[in-house]
Amino acid sequence: EAQVTQNPRYLITVTGKKLTVTCSQNMNHEYMSWYRQDPGLGLRQIYYSMNVEVTDKGDVPEGYKVSRKEKRNFPLILESPSPNQTSLYFCASSPSVLIQETQYFGPGTRLLVL
Amino acid sequence: QKEVEQDPGPLSVPEGAIVSLNCTYSNSAFQYFMWYRQYSRKGPELLMYTYSSGNKEDGRFTAQVDKSSKYISLFIRDSQPSDSATYLCAMSGNQGAQKLVFGQGTRLTINP
Repeated sequence: EAQVTQNPRYLITVTGKKLTVTCSQNMNHEYMSWYRQDPGLGLRQIYYSMNVEVTDKGDVPEGYKVSRKEKRNFPLILESPSPNQTSLYFCASSPSVLIQETQYFGPGTRLLVL
Repeated sequence: QKEVEQDPGPLSVPEGAIVSLNCTYSNSAFQYFMWYRQYSRKGPELLMYTYSSGNKEDGRFTAQVDKSSKYISLFIRDSQPSDSATYLCAMSGNQGAQKLVFGQGTRLTINP
């Protein structure tokens, strides 16, 4: 089944404890992206990647890192999480960067930073 | 001021009603307009995509874009309980999918 998977789906952590949220797609998509969703603010883009080893900042990149060493994987790294990073995170992928191509979203990762 | 404004609702209507969902925006460079549907505890899924001004129809769904007023709408005819979800508008300029700006989302409930 064509899909975007994220792990973990739920995570509770403490301030400053490094964590990684994994994202994987099995559709051979070039473009991948991370968003966070907060009440009243909608979805905001954190980072995106147009292909392997090519990443760029979105609208809210502060406090996050990403890497794209393989086409299928695009992990989101929080080196030192803070409570303001408590949010619902979505990974998305698309065949290309063309707007006509739909973005396929993962199921989301709910993160609570204490 | 947010680039994209969307009434968060919640909006509750009876089954069979016509639903109108709307977004306004401030960036005149936006040319690509999308509506995503997000069911509870799921990721968003693309519902409709429109380029520039005009209407687009897909079954019970119609998307309208009025660039002169910086206003987009999604109409749902003969609404069904299965349409209950959060609807997000999204838009972008020439940079394509790289810079997608979302509205806050409108939570819609269709009552049987």
